[in-house]
Amino acid sequence: GAGVSQSPSNKVTEKGKDVELRCDPISGHTALYWYRQSLGQGLEFLIYFQGNSAPDKSGLPSDRFSAERTGGSVSTLTIQRTQQEDSAVYLCASSLGQGVTNEKLFFGSGTQLSVL
Amino acid sequence: RKEVEQDPGPFNVPEGATVAFNCTYSNSASQSFFWYRQDCRKEPKLLMSVYSSGNEDGRFTAQLNRASQYISLLIRDSKLSDSATYLCVVNSGNTPLVFGKGTRLSVIA
Repeated sequence: GAGVSQSPSNKVTEKGKDVELRCDPISGHTALYWYRQSLGQGLEFLIYFQGNSAPDKSGLPSDRFSAERTGGSVSTLTIQRTQQEDSAVYLCASSLGQGVTNEKLFFGSGTQLSVL
Repeated sequence: RKEVEQDPGPFNVPEGATVAFNCTYSNSASQSFFWYRQDCRKEPKLLMSVYSSGNEDGRFTAQLNRASQYISLLIRDSKLSDSATYLCVVNSGNTPLVFGKGTRLSVIA
């Protein structure tokens, strides 16, 4: 596809369940980012990948959160034992590559996660 | 001090008005700067990059002041469709892009 694709677009789950969110970046983009945004709040950085490696995981809120990227393309963000405070929109973005001058991010339309 | 700070607003302006937003950043090593626009319940989208010499794109003008570590966005002849949240974004090269919390603009008929 032409843009960043995220799935599912909406996910409702029960507290304590695990969820997996998927991101398919723009073809050829080596950098991939996960952010989350709570209602009315700014973007909170979670993790980014350069290729398959994750040089910066500093934004992951707890050890219940993990992410992987395989083949330098698709990434999955996994949240284990979800809590109500995990409810937010999870946004994925990709770019040509971290450190590229004038790097620009392209966002997917996000996954709205609701934990009941 | 937060890495990127913006006045959250809201800025409520009439159609046709000129409005300006500022954004300050704390890392003097920051290398590139952007303004993104985010509509309600949508993803952020790149509005424009900010160049050292200042740059213009139609009704939008962006400026950078490295000495004072701030960037600005000026919107002339505001349209109803300009209503959105404007996010200031800074790239320090070795760290992921840092987003400000945004400034909300409402253009009123």
